[in-house]
Amino acid sequence: GEDVEQSLFLSVREGDSSVINCTYTDSSSTYLYWYKQEPGAGLQLLTYIFSNMDMKQDQRLTVLLNKKDKHLSLRIADTQTGDSAIYFCADPPDSNYQLIWGAGTKLIIKP
Amino acid sequence: DTGVSQDPRHKITKRGQNVTFRCDPISEHNRLYWYRQTLGQGPEFLTYFQNEAQLEKSRLLSDRFSAERPKGSFSTLEIQRTEQGDSAMYLCASSLDSTEAFFGQGTRLTVV
Repeated sequence: GEDVEQSLFLSVREGDSSVINCTYTDSSSTYLYWYKQEPGAGLQLLTYIFSNMDMKQDQRLTVLLNKKDKHLSLRIADTQTGDSAIYFCADPPDSNYQLIWGAGTKLIIKP
Repeated sequence: DTGVSQDPRHKITKRGQNVTFRCDPISEHNRLYWYRQTLGQGPEFLTYFQNEAQLEKSRLLSDRFSAERPKGSFSTLEIQRTEQGDSAMYLCASSLDSTEAFFGQGTRLTVV
């Protein structure tokens, strides 16, 4: 079945760039999503990319999509302590309601 | 408050008891979703409503689970005869058609 995989942890120094990676198996999706989950808070849609795009930039966030390798990445420039959270990659393989989620990457910021 | 709200935020129950959770979606949203999330995992889809119609149920949703959305507004998720394996965060989300889904803060269930 469909699967989405992510590394569980990423540790970066404050001010450096963070790159969170995700691989997925289903290539029929129209969109791919990045969600952010902070402690005690709900999931928040951070950004998304259409499957016909290679890159999307939104302020400090850059999403790269390599459809050939089924690889999605999220780059956060100038990482701040407020970026500490768990970041989920999500793939809606055949509909927009049944998202398939990765296990989440916990981003740890070192001072 | 214009977000998705869930009640209660936390629930501790004894094994074998029934529990019911409520979700109030964003008012103009016609779609409502329930997900379950366990520690260290991403959310798992449970079920989905379009207005009051329940259109999809995951295999994860055993016959002990039932969800309703009687008037196409709020929804309830009931778990009967709870088991320790039901301990998880239960997330509700809503959207307007297939646009962005907004999530509530979840109900954390602990079965002891």
